[in-house]
Amino acid sequence: AQSVAQPEDQVNVAEGNPLTVKCTYSVSGNPYLFWYVQYPNRGLQFLLKYITGDNLVKGSYGFEAEFNKSQTSFHLKKPSALVSDSALYFCAVRPDAGNNRKLIWGLGTSLAVNP
Amino acid sequence: DSGVTQTPKHLITATGQRVTLRCSPRSGDLSVYWYQQSLDQGLQFLIHYYNGEERAKGNILERFSAQQFPDLHSELNLSSLELGDSALYFCASSVATSGYNEQFFGPGTRLTVL
Repeated sequence: AQSVAQPEDQVNVAEGNPLTVKCTYSVSGNPYLFWYVQYPNRGLQFLLKYITGDNLVKGSYGFEAEFNKSQTSFHLKKPSALVSDSALYFCAVRPDAGNNRKLIWGLGTSLAVNP
Repeated sequence: DSGVTQTPKHLITATGQRVTLRCSPRSGDLSVYWYQQSLDQGLQFLIHYYNGEERAKGNILERFSAQQFPDLHSELNLSSLELGDSALYFCASSVATSGYNEQFFGPGTRLTVL
């Protein structure tokens, strides 16, 4: 079955330190990969996506993510975390092959950046 | 502001009742998606409409239905409500149905069933 995993329910980092939020997937073909962020009491906001090309993609608010085909991962990173980055982060993957091409969502990772 | 609007913001109702949630997509977006977010089940995709036609169904209960109107706004109808239907309901829109288009989410409707 096709799936997306965010192995950590919660990630804690100190302000100014680098952060990583992990995402791995198991889907058919070459997937389209997305990261979204949800601030408290808000809807989700698009951060970045990988469709094709350079494996390192840059997005909003200084975030970036690296597509690793061999490890089927798309980890979200930021060199220096801010307290305001504290939020819920969702990874989503869409297969580009097979009969079921619906977007598959991870369960989310809560990021807490401590001052 | 994503450009997607949802009404109402909050809804409190009783078990067995029926409610309608409304969504207006971003100007120019033809696709509308509905999601349910609850603490125990995370973000669940319900249904996708493109230019008035149903395109995909997710974990949508038979008690729930949706439609997209000619002006592209969409409504999600929830009937015979149960306590477990209490959740945040989001709608999102995208410019087309292509898988590489990101979705823009509305602020959500918080439904409380008492």
